[in-house]
Amino acid sequence: DAGVTQSPTHLIKTRGQQVTLRCSPKSGHDTVSWYQQALGQGPQFIFQYYEEEERQRGNFPDRFSGHQFPNYSSELNVNALLLGDSALYLCASSLWLQGVIWSPLHFGNGTRLTVT
Amino acid sequence: DAKTTQPPSMDCAEGRAANLPCNHSTISGNEYVYWYRQIHSQGPQYIIHGLKNNETNEMASLIITEDRKSSTLILPHATLRDTAVYYCIVAGTASKLTFGTGTRLQVTL
Repeated sequence: DAGVTQSPTHLIKTRGQQVTLRCSPKSGHDTVSWYQQALGQGPQFIFQYYEEEERQRGNFPDRFSGHQFPNYSSELNVNALLLGDSALYLCASSLWLQGVIWSPLHFGNGTRLTVT
Repeated sequence: DAKTTQPPSMDCAEGRAANLPCNHSTISGNEYVYWYRQIHSQGPQYIIHGLKNNETNEMASLIITEDRKSSTLILPHATLRDTAVYYCIVAGTASKLTFGTGTRLQVTL
């Protein structure tokens, strides 16, 4: 039973560029959340997708956008990259039940993004 | 979501119980206590969660005080592989978790 998989594992981009990160949820899960983890800090919630719609969003600018596909996989897009966007980006999957998430989040090992 | 307070670091000898405290004095009646851990270079791993009763699973035990203002995660027999950052999170559901900086647990020989 595959867990949450993310690609790529590492990425180096230049300021001003755009980046797309990908996530496949754990088998049987239908909800994907994205988190940003700066060095030495805990993960910070970016947004969450269910049924191909953004359901909740954290305090992140519009440069951060996402998408969920019919197979529940998801992408995180970041435009106009800033040096401060350098971080570990984590994807987490879960089950959506009656409008809330009860199952624990299962996290992938993340994509390490470096912006130079 | 309620804020949590955890010690920044703790040490534990291998084989001994590791008791990780968490204060959450502003917790609401419908909020759960979740514990996750993050081993270096990996994503966070779910450990356990509870509402008001003590909980136990194959990984750990969670003790929540009667007033629910604090809790303790217990790893009964810590091993070197339990060295990680442990996060205590209070949330209404698992939808949107607010992580703090956690407790860095170092298990030593």
